[in-house]
Amino acid sequence: KQEVTQIPAALSVPEGENLVLNCSFTDSAIYNLQWFRQDPGKGLTSLLLIQSSQREQTSGRLNASLDKSSGRSTLYIAASQPGDSATYLCAVSPAYQLIWGAGTKLIIKP
Amino acid sequence: KAGVTQTPRYLIKTRGQQVTLSCSPISGHRSVSWYQQTPGQGLQFLFEYFSETQRNKGNFPGRFSGRQFSNSRSEMNVSTLELGDSALYLCASSSGSSGSETQYFGPGTRLLVL
Repeated sequence: KQEVTQIPAALSVPEGENLVLNCSFTDSAIYNLQWFRQDPGKGLTSLLLIQSSQREQTSGRLNASLDKSSGRSTLYIAASQPGDSATYLCAVSPAYQLIWGAGTKLIIKP
Repeated sequence: KAGVTQTPRYLIKTRGQQVTLSCSPISGHRSVSWYQQTPGQGLQFLFEYFSETQRNKGNFPGRFSGRQFSNSRSEMNVSTLELGDSALYLCASSSGSSGSETQYFGPGTRLLVL
């Protein structure tokens, strides 16, 4: 059974720092891995999708990597800003569904 | 292009009642998925539809059901509501042909069962 774990559960850093969020999964048989952000009381916004054949994806200040063999992904956020404060969730896609981690709650202090 | 829309946004029901939630996907998207989000269990997959066919189903009791119409709009129904069904219900759409496309989420329907 696929299990997705995100560490740390919460993270508070000063503005401007670079940071890394971690996601691990137990079964490497996935189609892709996605990173989302969720703002309080709101839905989910897709940040990056990495297909199983890819190693990384970049969008602006965000870079996500995928190592299927070790069952790990990282989301790197460069030059963090207060607007980056949110809960970040990773999800893996076996087939026609997403299996989710519990998320990392990120607070960026001005 | 309009995003995924969900109605209603908020619902209050009592135990034993039933409820129907609606989801309109992004224009051109043929896959709709439903998820339940609770503080205790996090996000859990309910079911996925593509061209009116259910392709996958999560581990939820039969009280949870769904369907998709020919215009790709989808509804989910929960019968005989229990207190534990209180949750945020999220709908996502994608182009869906391979099952590995980016999923775009709606704002959710927050259901409170009293």
